[in-house]
Amino acid sequence: DTAVSQTPKYLVTQMGNDKSIKCEQNLGHDTMYWYKQDSKKFLKIMFSYNNKELIINETVPNRFSPKSPDKAHLNLHINSLELGDSAVYFCASSQDFRGHGYTFGSGTRLTVV
Amino acid sequence: AQTVTQSQPEMSVQEAETVTLSCTYDTSESDYYLFWYKQPPSRQMILVIRQEAYKQQNATENRFSVNFQKAAKSFSLKISDSQLGDAAMYFCVSTSGTYKYIFGTGTRLKVLA
Repeated sequence: DTAVSQTPKYLVTQMGNDKSIKCEQNLGHDTMYWYKQDSKKFLKIMFSYNNKELIINETVPNRFSPKSPDKAHLNLHINSLELGDSAVYFCASSQDFRGHGYTFGSGTRLTVV
Repeated sequence: AQTVTQSQPEMSVQEAETVTLSCTYDTSESDYYLFWYKQPPSRQMILVIRQEAYKQQNATENRFSVNFQKAAKSFSLKISDSQLGDAAMYFCVSTSGTYKYIFGTGTRLKVLA
């Protein structure tokens, strides 16, 4: 069983489209995250959710809207996609906010053309 | 602002040899955690090792060990008996506050047969 699963793994779409990435964890973790990895491999947090509540929104454009229907799911919806949104998006979860570390999904490579 | 610095963009090591990856961090927090994550070409993020800042003893996981120098804010990773499967991007990571991790820029490790 995959602990943190993201779908789709690859997404190619045109500028201006709206797309969603889904994330589910079966670990019973309370906290979930979205991170963006750019073309230089730099990872930066976008959102943190704890028990379905938004905790961190790291100056992400309003076009990005996370949704957490329950604590096992954190989906990412992106409106009006731009070329600069091309990146790998990682979902992750953690047992607590401290030192156990994250369990990551396998990432979604988004390419906007 | 909290930062994590990896000054070695790329390192090479001969198979079966030992290599050390450097990391320095800057934090004003007294209670924090540090990690090394590995990202092989498969893109999956894998937790290699973790260190609790309040523990002076350096963490060890099989062939992986850290040299944690709290006063110097240094957290290096030593890989002993390097294997071809160790080839990957390695990220040094620090907790930041309650619900966020700060990633370094990564060190690409090449293992030569």
